[in-house]
Formats: sequence, C-alpha cells, structure tokens
Amino acid sequence: ETGVTQTPRHLVMGMTNKKSLKCEQHLGHNAMYWYKQSAKKPLELMFVYNFKEQTENNSVPSRFSPECPNSSHLFLHLHTLQPEDSALYLCASSLRGDTGGSGNTIYFGEGSWLTVV
Amino acid sequence: AQKITQTQPGMFVQEKEAVTLDCTYDTSDPSYGLFWYKQPSSGEMIFLIYQGSYDQQNATEGRYSLNFQKARKSANLVISASQLGDSAMYFCAMREDYSGGYQKVTFGTGTKLQVIP
Repeated sequence: ETGVTQTPRHLVMGMTNKKSLKCEQHLGHNAMYWYKQSAKKPLELMFVYNFKEQTENNSVPSRFSPECPNSSHLFLHLHTLQPEDSALYLCASSLRGDTGGSGNTIYFGEGSWLTVV
Repeated sequence: AQKITQTQPGMFVQEKEAVTLDCTYDTSDPSYGLFWYKQPSSGEMIFLIYQGSYDQQNATEGRYSLNFQKARKSANLVISASQLGDSAMYFCAMREDYSGGYQKVTFGTGTKLQVIP
C-alpha cells in the first residue's frame, strides 16, 4: 500500500464541470505538492504546501485551486478547465518542504488521470 | 538551459543483463540532491535512489546503483540483473537545496526502458 493515496484515479469532466482531486498521505510528512505531468513534457510543479501554508504557486491558472486543510490532506479543485489541462496529476509529500538532505525524499502517489472533454 | 538532461528517450535491455540510464545536471548550488524515480504505466512515481552532493560514496539500493561523477555533473542509474518488471519510464531529478523557501525539484524528460525476455 502506498503511503500517498490519490482519488479518483481516473476522472473525465466537461469544461463547465467543477470537480476535485483528493490526496492523503500516511507518512507523517509536513509538506505536500501537486505536480502536473503532460505527454512528452517534464513533470511540472504546481503548488507546494509546507506545514499547511502555501509556499509556492508556480504560475498556475486560477481554474486550479488547491486546498490544504491539514498536513495529511491536499485537494485540487478544478473549475472551467480546458482540454489542454488533460494530464496526469501527481500528489507528493516530504518530511518538510523547505530543506534538503537525504531524509527529505519526495514520495508520490499513484496519480489521477484527468481528461477534459 | 535544461537543468536535468536525459539523452536516451528509449532503451532496450535483455533480461538478466545490466543497463545504465544516463543523466546529466546543471547547477551552481554546492548543496543539492539527485534522485531517480521509476514510473510504470499505471502512473505512480516510485522513488528508487538518492545521492547527496556531499556524499562520498555512490548510493546503492538493492539492484540499483547511482554512478555519481560530480566533476562531470553526471548521475547515471545502473540497474543490475534486469527483470521484466523493470520495464517502465525512469526519471532523473535534482533538488537544489537553496531555493528561496521551498524544496524545488526539477525532473528530466525520462527514459523508457524495455526489458526483453
């Protein structure tokens, strides 16, 4: 069982829908991340939360809205998406978000495959 | 300029043989970390191995070893005794430890490894 779980695994939504992706980590970490993975492009960091505070919004359009109610849960609210937003959305966590070191590895969930039609 | 370069889009290896996946990186930060992740077709990004810039020895984890050549800025992944289950995308990633308050990890474009029976 993975330490980072994402639901749903697959989502198809229309451009006018509102949906949410959910992520939960069971690793006792304090930092959580959303990444976007599109075909033939490197993984793109979207948002970072460190101790529930958002520390990075990597120029992500406002149709993506993150929410981090506590250190174990992270949501990505989706509204009025475009077909080009279709991608694999990966949630990740690490011990903390503001330092390096070998004990601060980022662990990923299984991802949510999003298709916007 | 690309921070992480993986020059092999695809690789084939015979089962039970060893294979090396190339990764070069670019940073002026003296403190950084290098990661390798495996991504099967299911989508989950699985952490394989970590190498810190100040680590004196090359990292090893079971069948995985990281050939770290700091002067050449390369961090190649060596998989020994390949298995069919090793068929997946492999991503090299770098974390620069000073990034203005959060842990920024840059990923390469990946290498697709196929193990042939």
